[in-house]
Amino acid sequence: AQSVTQPDIHITVSEGASLELRCNYSYGATPYLFWYVQSPGQGLQLLLKYFSGDTLVQGIKGFEAEFKRSQSSFNLRKPSVHWSDAAEYFCAVAPYTGGGNKLTFGTGTQLKVEL
Amino acid sequence: ETGVTQTPRHLVMGMTNKKSLKCEQHLGHNAMYWYKQSAKKPLELMFVYNFKEQTENNSVPSRFSPECPNSSHLFLHLHTLQPEDSALYLCASSQDGTGNTEAFFGQGTRLTVV
Repeated sequence: AQSVTQPDIHITVSEGASLELRCNYSYGATPYLFWYVQSPGQGLQLLLKYFSGDTLVQGIKGFEAEFKRSQSSFNLRKPSVHWSDAAEYFCAVAPYTGGGNKLTFGTGTQLKVEL
Repeated sequence: ETGVTQTPRHLVMGMTNKKSLKCEQHLGHNAMYWYKQSAKKPLELMFVYNFKEQTENNSVPSRFSPECPNSSHLFLHLHTLQPEDSALYLCASSQDGTGNTEAFFGQGTRLTVV
C-alpha cells in the first residue's frame, strides 16, 4: 500500500526567508505526486503536480517541488515566503496505474510565518 | 471559486438524526470523491464515483451512504452517526478516474455529531 510521510508537523519561518517542506512516499513504482495547500476553514487548493518528465516542477504562488526518485522524495520549496503563505500544506500521491485518482495524503505541515 | 460547491458548510446533528451532505461540481468532470478530514489524521478517501458508478468504498461504515445521481452531483447520506464521525467532509472531482488528472476540492462541510 502507498503511504506519505511529512516529518515536520509545524514549521515557522520569517517573512522573506526561504522554505522547504519535506515529503517522502512509499510506493512500488513512480506515483503521481501532488502538493495541496489548505487555509483555515477552506478546502484544498492544488499548488503543483508531478506526472512525468522534468523532475523540477513549478506551481502557483511561486512554489516549486523536486522529485527525487532515489530518495522517494517530493519536497516543496519557495525562495521567499510571504505572510499570506501561512497555511497547512499536504503532500499526496495517486497510483500510477489503475484504481483511479485515489489520493493518499500525508498528515500535513502547518506553516507559520513571522513578520 | 473552485468549481466544486458543498452544502451545508456547517452541520450539527444528533446521533439519531438523518442528514445529507451535498456536493455539486460545475467543471464537467466525470469522477467525484468523498474524503474525511479528522483532527490529527491524514485525509482519508471514503468513496469514489466514476461516470456515476461507485468504484471505491474504502471500508466505510454503512451509516455513511453515498449517492451519485449524475456526474455533477454527489451526496453523502448520514444516519445514526457517532461522535467520532465529527470531521470535515471534503468533496472532490476530477476529469476522470485516472491518476494523472487533477482533483479539485470543495470547501468542505464541517460536521459535528452531538
